[in-house]
Order: sequence, then C-alpha cells, then structure tokens
Amino acid sequence: DAKTTQPTSMDCAEGRAANLPCNHSTISGNEYVYWYRQIHSQGPQYIIHGLKNNETNEMASLIITEDRKSSTLILPHATLRDTAVYYCIVRPHNNAGNMLTFGGGTRLMVKP
Amino acid sequence: DAGVIQSPRHEVTEMGQEVTLRCKPISGHNSLFWYRQTMMRGLELLIYFNNNVPIDDSGMPEDRFSAKMPNASFSTLKIQPSEPRDSAVYFCASSPTGPLMNTEAFFGQGTRLTVV
Repeated sequence: DAKTTQPTSMDCAEGRAANLPCNHSTISGNEYVYWYRQIHSQGPQYIIHGLKNNETNEMASLIITEDRKSSTLILPHATLRDTAVYYCIVRPHNNAGNMLTFGGGTRLMVKP
Repeated sequence: DAGVIQSPRHEVTEMGQEVTLRCKPISGHNSLFWYRQTMMRGLELLIYFNNNVPIDDSGMPEDRFSAKMPNASFSTLKIQPSEPRDSAVYFCASSPTGPLMNTEAFFGQGTRLTVV
C-alpha cells in the first residue's frame, strides 16, 4: 500500500474550517484515499473516501489534487467534538482484503 | 443496529494467564478485523477474516496469539500466556463486503487489556 504523510498535530478555532492535508505521492492508479478519525477512547470512525474526484458528505469534504499525490480533508465548521486524531489511508481496490493500514495521523485540537 | 460489540471493555490479568477477547460483528458483514493499538506502535492490523476464514494473519505478533471465527456472528482473540507487553487496546471491526469492494469498516469500542 502507498504510504501517507500527515502533520503530527494541528489547531483550529471553533466554528472555522479545519483543513487537514495528506501527502500520498506514491499512490497508484487503483488506490483510493480514505479518511478515518478516532476520538479519545473510541474506535476509529469512517469519514469519507474518494478516488480522483472531490467528494462531500454530511461530515466533510475531500479534495484530491489532479495528480492525486495529495489530498485535503475539510471540516467546514469545526466544533469541539471534532477534536480527534485524523487518519489518511490509501488502499488499493484489488488488494487481498479490505485491510486498512493506519499511520500516525494528525491530532486535531479544536479550541474555543 | 447496535454496531460492533466487544467484550469485555476492560480486562486486567496477571502475567501468564490466558486472556480471551470477544467480538460480535454487525449482522450481514462478512469481513472481520482485529487491531491492536498502543502509544508506541499506533493501530496495527493483527488478522483479517472473510466469510469466517482467516485471510491474512501476518500481523499476529507470535504464537501466543490466536484468533477464531466459528460463525458469522462471533470471533475471539486469545492470548496464552499473556505478557505485560501485550497491554494495549484491542479493536474489532467489521465490513459489509468482501475483499474487492471499497466500503467503510465499522469499529467496536475496544477492549483495554492490562497485563500486570
């Protein structure tokens, strides 16, 4: 699986947009970009995923660059409850399992 | 749906004892995963089942660890004998489709294991 690089930590003011970057310069054509988050003392939670087009759901937006070497997860109006570790994962469509390989993630702190 | 259910939520045991962690996946999901999380190593995939069959157990640390899935609604992760370095949070996750589909995995609340 392609590796990802994320900043270790970020701060965001409550009510502002949180933009979390992820580099995946070795991504292959059949690999999707997934985002999960883990709130303290809970299991990871799926947020969104995409291949090459930008995606949006009720939780967030995912912007993938045209060369697919990087992406940004956007939380449009961050709340205190969005404080969590955010994981960017790339996974091929045809790997032997639905496995998710987690890296270190970005620790997002939303401040009042 | 109650989601992925893990038990116990917390387990404290003495070194050398056998520990069994349990997981009930979401009904209808045919993929099940066991992960371990520590401060030092983060989230590590231990083993993955598809249709109750172990597909990849390359993440299982050593022979002291074993996992079974006797049916579609139950899985266990056993450590025998347990050691202090096994202390971690163990997560179970399930996914609704097989290996060629891109779908989300649903995680349980985890079991916090402490081996003293």
